[in-house]
Amino acid sequence: DAKTTQPNSMESNEEEPVHLPCNHSTISGTDYIHWYRQLPSQGPEYVIHGLTSNVNNRMASLAIAEDRKSSTLILHRATLRDAAVYYCILRDGRGGSEKLVFGKGTKLTVNP
Amino acid sequence: GAGVSQSPSNKVTEKGKDVELRCDPISGHTALYWYRQSLGQGLEFLIYFQGNSAPDKSGLPSDRFSAERTGGSVSTLTIQRTQQEDSAVYLCASSFKGAWNEQFFGPGTRLTVL
Repeated sequence: DAKTTQPNSMESNEEEPVHLPCNHSTISGTDYIHWYRQLPSQGPEYVIHGLTSNVNNRMASLAIAEDRKSSTLILHRATLRDAAVYYCILRDGRGGSEKLVFGKGTKLTVNP
Repeated sequence: GAGVSQSPSNKVTEKGKDVELRCDPISGHTALYWYRQSLGQGLEFLIYFQGNSAPDKSGLPSDRFSAERTGGSVSTLTIQRTQQEDSAVYLCASSFKGAWNEQFFGPGTRLTVL
């Protein structure tokens, strides 16, 4: 599985935008970029995913670099509820096991 | 609709005993996954089911661990002769088949082996 690199931790203030970076220099053409987050004492939850184009949903936006070697998860207005560990994960779109390979993620702290 | 449910939510057992953990996936989801999260460790994959068969068991840490799925629905993870290092939160997830499909996670079972 192709690897991702994320900062260990980031801090933000409430109601400000947050940009969470992820590097994936060995990404293959069939890898989808997925983001999950894990709130304290809960199971992970899906945030967003994309392949080549930028994506928006009600939770966040995903900006994918033109060469696909990096991506950024954007939370437009952070709330206290967004404090979580955010995981950037590559999944091969050709199928196979389809398991999620979690790294250490980025722990986001949101200050009131 | 109902999400993924797991039972029990907490399980305390003595070293050497067997335990069974249950997962009820979202109705209609053909894929089911087990993961575990140990204190201070990340989430690690254990096993993946497509229907009732398990094409990927590569994450099971030893032959003390086994899992089955029946009727394309409920799954049971069994740990025999539990050890203290088995203490962790065991998470189940389900999805429609396809690497682009999101996985929905249950709340987990916290296993403590004394």
